[in-house]
Amino acid sequence: EIVMTQSPATLSVSPGERATLSCRASQSVSTNLAWYQQKPGQAPRLLIYGTSTRATGIPARFSGSGSGTEFTLTINSLQSEDFALYYCQQYNNWPPWTFGHGTKVEIK
Amino acid sequence: QVQLVESGGGLVKPGGSLRLSCAASGFTFSDHYMSWIRQAPGKGLEWLSYISSSGSSIFYADSMKGRITISRDNSKNSLFLQMNSLRAEDTAVYYCAKDRDVFDIWGQGTTVTVSS
Repeated sequence: EIVMTQSPATLSVSPGERATLSCRASQSVSTNLAWYQQKPGQAPRLLIYGTSTRATGIPARFSGSGSGTEFTLTINSLQSEDFALYYCQQYNNWPPWTFGHGTKVEIK
Repeated sequence: QVQLVESGGGLVKPGGSLRLSCAASGFTFSDHYMSWIRQAPGKGLEWLSYISSSGSSIFYADSMKGRITISRDNSKNSLFLQMNSLRAEDTAVYYCAKDRDVFDIWGQGTTVTVSS
């Protein structure tokens, strides 16, 4: 099973600033990595797949990069609606499909 | 619009059973893989099970293997998860999600609470 490790657990950022979230896989997942956003009381929402492809309707301030075992989600110019939990997920080696434990982006 | 709506959650005693349902609309259900994913209170996301579009291919997470059965009825655009021998640690919100590798649409979730 591939273990996904996200850091930091909590990221404090001021509105308008940039947030950089990291995700590490225990072995290579190529570029088969997705990112999800989850707000309290809501289901997760797909943000990015294939490491860097934004899902339908996702603003351009969200971008993803990386390959192999190291991945980054960058959120430029944070908006109030971006403060949420973010999960990475690999789909290179399955089953199981595995998620990281999440990074909470909070208002500084 | 594309929508998934789960139902069937509730309070169940340890050792009990529940059958969750997921009603799909807004897309051709029979063309798509489907999955179940859960989230324990205050915890992260855990993939549980996958079923192919025809139902011929199925996978389960080790954590629930032998206690859950996934199925689908393409004529009714519905996905199901039969859960048996439930334990306190199965308390979670259970989501159905469209597709397999990339979960592009999620339902709102149904809450399962296992407690005596």
